[in-house]
Amino acid sequence: ILNVEQSPQSLHVQEGDSTNFTCSFPSSNFYALHWYRWETAKSPEALFVMTLNGDEKKKGRISATLNTKEGYSYLYIKGSQPEDSATYLCAFMDTGRRALTFGSGTRLQVQP
Amino acid sequence: GAGVSQSPRYKVAKRGQDVALRCDPISGHVSLFWYQQALGQGPEFLTYFQNEAQLDKSGLPSDRFFAERPEGSVSTLKIQRTQQEDSAVYLCASSLGAQGTGAFFGQGTRLTVV
Repeated sequence: ILNVEQSPQSLHVQEGDSTNFTCSFPSSNFYALHWYRWETAKSPEALFVMTLNGDEKKKGRISATLNTKEGYSYLYIKGSQPEDSATYLCAFMDTGRRALTFGSGTRLQVQP
Repeated sequence: GAGVSQSPRYKVAKRGQDVALRCDPISGHVSLFWYQQALGQGPEFLTYFQNEAQLDKSGLPSDRFFAERPEGSVSTLKIQRTQQEDSAVYLCASSLGAQGTGAFFGQGTRLTVV
C-alpha cells in the first residue's frame, strides 16, 4: 500500500498572505508527482507534473518543488486570493503502475 | 465540449438498487481511469482501461462493482445492489498515452445511497 500524506488538512488565510502545503510520498520507485486544484462542483485541474529530483515549477503565483530522495514536495501560493480557495491534491505515480495514488488533500480557504 | 464528461452529476439510489455511471473521455485518449472519493478522503483508484482492455481492476472494492469500455471510448461503471458505503464521488479521468501522467478529470458523479 502506497502512503501519500498531505499537511495541513485545512488552512484558513487572509487575502494577500503567502502559504505552503506539504506532500510526502514513498521515496522508492518514483515516476511522477502531480499537483491538482479541485474547486467545488468542478473537475480537478492539473497544476504541475513533476518528474525530476530538484524540479521547481511555477504557474503565476503558484510554485512547487520536488525532492524525490526524501519523498516530499511543497506547493507555495504567493499573495493568496479568494479565487485560490480550493482543495489541493497531490498524487504519486510509481514505476510499476499507471494509476495515481492521491493524498487526502489540503483544503484552502482565503478570506477577502 | 472538449473535456471529460460524466453523467449523471448526481444520483440518489435506494439501498439494493443497481446504478450505472457513464464517462465520456476526451476523444482519442487511450487511457481511462475510475476513482472513488469518499468524504474527507483523496480519490482512490478503482480500475484502468487501455483502449477497450481492462488492464487493472485491483481497486474495485467488491464483485458488485463492474466496469466496461467496449469500444475503447465511453466507459460505464456499474454498481449492483448498492450499499450505503458506496456513497461517494466517482471520478473518471482520461489521458492520451498509456500512463496516467497528465490525466484530465471529469466533474464526477456524486452517488448517495439511502
